[in-house]
Amino acid sequence: TQLLEQSPQFLSIQEGENLTVYCNSSSVFSSLQWYRQEPGEGPVLLVTVVTGGEVKKLKRLTFQFGDARKDSSLHITAAQPGDTGLYLCAGVISGNTPLVFGKGTRLSVIA
Amino acid sequence: NAGVTQTPKFRILKIGQSMTLQCTQDMNHNYMYWYRQDPGMGLKLIYYSVGAGITDKGEVPNGYNVSRSTTEDFPLRLELAAPSQTSVYFCASSYRDGEAFFGQGTRLTVV
Repeated sequence: TQLLEQSPQFLSIQEGENLTVYCNSSSVFSSLQWYRQEPGEGPVLLVTVVTGGEVKKLKRLTFQFGDARKDSSLHITAAQPGDTGLYLCAGVISGNTPLVFGKGTRLSVIA
Repeated sequence: NAGVTQTPKFRILKIGQSMTLQCTQDMNHNYMYWYRQDPGMGLKLIYYSVGAGITDKGEVPNGYNVSRSTTEDFPLRLELAAPSQTSVYFCASSYRDGEAFFGQGTRLTVV
């Protein structure tokens, strides 16, 4: 059973379009992260959210943590080809539990 | 700044051979992780450690072993390599909050 479910699995859009990626769970997380991974590289941290309802912005990327701390979303405004990559959500439930990842959303932005 | 360093970057093993994937971090992180990533997929947790002398199984531990004798090092051992272990292996470290830093990965092929 996947602890973190991401959707959609694949997304192909035109440059300039907006998109939202979702990360859902039945478990409550003490913190949740979003990472971006490019081919041949390790994932790179984009943001961490820790408070229910929290919204963080990183240029054209907006991250939201659900009020119940069970879900999160990543919204990209006016996508660019440089946004292409694998977007992974990950989280820690509590205490000494490990960091677990969703399966990822593979985004392709076409010029 | 070195961050998380993995060696080797590439390796081809014959079925039944053994090898150790090395991972070292210089950020004084307590938490360290080993993940595997199959083509087009997300990250699956193999083993993790919350501090020197403490290790625990993740989602897919069979066929692997780890040790954590120091804060800096977290080697992953494959005893009897099998084709199913062909994958890209990532080591990561973090503070307790789950913000992980990843190495560049080891691309392993078992033939």
